[in-house]
Amino acid sequence: KNEVEQSPQNLTAQEGEFITINCSYSVGISALHWLQQHPGGGIVSLFMLSSGKKKHGRLIATINIQEKHSSLHITASHPRDSAVYICAVRETSGSRLTFGEGTQLTVNP
Amino acid sequence: NAGVTQTPKFQVLKTGQSMTLQCAQDMNHNSMYWYRQDPGMGLRLIYYSASEGTTDKGEVPNGYNVSRLNKREFSLRLESAAPSQTSVYFCASSEARVREQFFGPGTRLTVL
Repeated sequence: KNEVEQSPQNLTAQEGEFITINCSYSVGISALHWLQQHPGGGIVSLFMLSSGKKKHGRLIATINIQEKHSSLHITASHPRDSAVYICAVRETSGSRLTFGEGTQLTVNP
Repeated sequence: NAGVTQTPKFQVLKTGQSMTLQCAQDMNHNSMYWYRQDPGMGLRLIYYSASEGTTDKGEVPNGYNVSRLNKREFSLRLESAAPSQTSVYFCASSEARVREQFFGPGTRLTVL
């Protein structure tokens, strides 16, 4: 079993829909990261969080440390949101990041 | 600022050939990383450098060597390329090991 599991693996939505991507992990962590990988391959860090909730524009990330679960929400989705979204955790025992396999999101106009 | 740059963007090698992937950052970051990304798998850490002058093995170091040339540059060398090293390679940097990482554009390597 992977230490970091994302769901769904693939997600197709219509423009304007509210989107949720989930990340579950099995180890104790000090921080969780959400990243976006563009169709061209570039990777951008979206959020780093260790508790609660963070918001940036139409993106919201939440984390529940007790349940070892995080969600990434996209409000009013747009075709330009089409990308792979990657969850990564930093274990409390070290500083290395462990990455999930990613969720491929496609938003159709 | 260019952020994190990588060269080359694409490379095709024959089995047994050697090559060096170059990475540079202009953000004055202390920590730098090399990852590989393969289909169906998350990014995996090959080597990292917590600060200038230090390097450490990551999850999949076999077949690779690294050099932290100075604070800006961190290179990855394949001494004798194998088809199993066909992958997309990403360099990243961060202010410190527990901070947000910034990624380069990636190098797509094919070993025939």
